[in-house]
Amino acid sequence: NAGVTQTPKFQVLKTGQSMTLQCAQDMNHEYMSWYRQDPGMGLRLIHYSVGAGITDQGEVPNGYNVSRSTTEDFPLRLLSAAPSQTSVYFCASSLNREGEKLFFGSGTQLSVL
Amino acid sequence: AQSVAQPEDQVNVAEGNPLTVKCTYSVSGNPYLFWYVQYPNRGLQFLLKYITGDNLVKGSYGFEAEFNKSQTSFHLKKPSALVSDSALYFCAVRDRGSTLGRLYFGRGTQLTVWP
Repeated sequence: NAGVTQTPKFQVLKTGQSMTLQCAQDMNHEYMSWYRQDPGMGLRLIHYSVGAGITDQGEVPNGYNVSRSTTEDFPLRLLSAAPSQTSVYFCASSLNREGEKLFFGSGTQLSVL
Repeated sequence: AQSVAQPEDQVNVAEGNPLTVKCTYSVSGNPYLFWYVQYPNRGLQFLLKYITGDNLVKGSYGFEAEFNKSQTSFHLKKPSALVSDSALYFCAVRDRGSTLGRLYFGRGTQLTVWP
């Protein structure tokens, strides 16, 4: 009963490096999304997907790429890390396309130096 | 544009007393409204939602929320607070007519229940 699994839990990058945050869910959910959480800012939507092969941008998509080749996986790619991308990243999934009752992963703490 | 406001960064209440965490929203159409809770070093957990129907919605752990269309509010309430309720609470909204999957969160309210 894994739910939503995010890896890694912690990551430190240097400015300009690239990396991929992994997200997998085993609930056969159609909807998956990535949020970033910053102090005093709440959660902001980066990208989301309503099914395999379908992705769309959220509020703060710049500097991030996503793909959804399978129902289970929704990786988030940082193309060239910047200090402004220091944040806690959450992956979330939902059974239906409307993305209502979200199930969240435990988060990835990312620091960009 | 959609937005959510949680006017209080922090709410402090004594155990056993009633608690209220405030939320107001702005959408162009009819809203879907949600409350989530986040415990330290954890992801968010769903508490309750309002879609349609009765304005008083009951959720997990004894929480409830009241939808007030005229005041565009969706305040979270609990009749008797527990120390274990201490956590960060987020209100979220989606316009029923909006692009699928776009859920907007407030900034969060830190609830502290002291013994």
